[in-house]
Amino acid sequence: DAKTTQPPSMDCAEGRAANLPCNHSTISGNEYVYWYRQIHSQGPQYIIHGLKNNETNEMASLIITEDRKSSTLILPHATLRDTAVYYCIVRVHTGGFKTIFGAGTRLFVKA
Amino acid sequence: DAGVTQSPTHLIKTRGQQVTLRCSPKSGHDTVSWYQQALGQGPQFIFQYYEEEERQRGNFPDRFSGHQFPNYSSELNVNALLLGDSALYLCASQGPSQLPIGNEQFFGPGTRLTVL
Repeated sequence: DAKTTQPPSMDCAEGRAANLPCNHSTISGNEYVYWYRQIHSQGPQYIIHGLKNNETNEMASLIITEDRKSSTLILPHATLRDTAVYYCIVRVHTGGFKTIFGAGTRLFVKA
Repeated sequence: DAGVTQSPTHLIKTRGQQVTLRCSPKSGHDTVSWYQQALGQGPQFIFQYYEEEERQRGNFPDRFSGHQFPNYSSELNVNALLLGDSALYLCASQGPSQLPIGNEQFFGPGTRLTVL
């Protein structure tokens, strides 16, 4: 079973920030938080990952709470092309890990 | 870099038949994982290959088998197809841990299998 819980769907206005929450209350000390997204009928695309510090890259920012039991993915200026299913995953960072996907959050960006 | 490639893109089979799906990992990647994604659901882990051996396996029956070749490419075989095997089959590759982003999985576009 997935170790994360996410809202099934969210809406966001184009140009506004999209904040996608994720709960992972049973996360282990050696597990990272990863975010992927899947645009319709394509393979999942890696977005960002982090352990305990906030992270930012060209796509998004990841905010992880101090107790690491939840996180938020932030798309700073959402566009229509950001409409997708977003998956929050926790897993170890090295070795033969397997990625366990939940149902994800379906983000609709509206004009 | 072509990224992860999969073939074929679409496939139609009938119940009881056998199917082979193929995956070429991203350049420099040595580990390949396979996932099954039913319509409206998240991908489900099938198994992972590393150094030509199955390293981890998800909750899938023995009808699902795989192989990894010396060039790191991989095949997924499904025997005795059932209607419920209809899904998008995804391949993902990752590189050695010592690479800066070696633990990120890169996914291919998938093979859409329809079983009639």
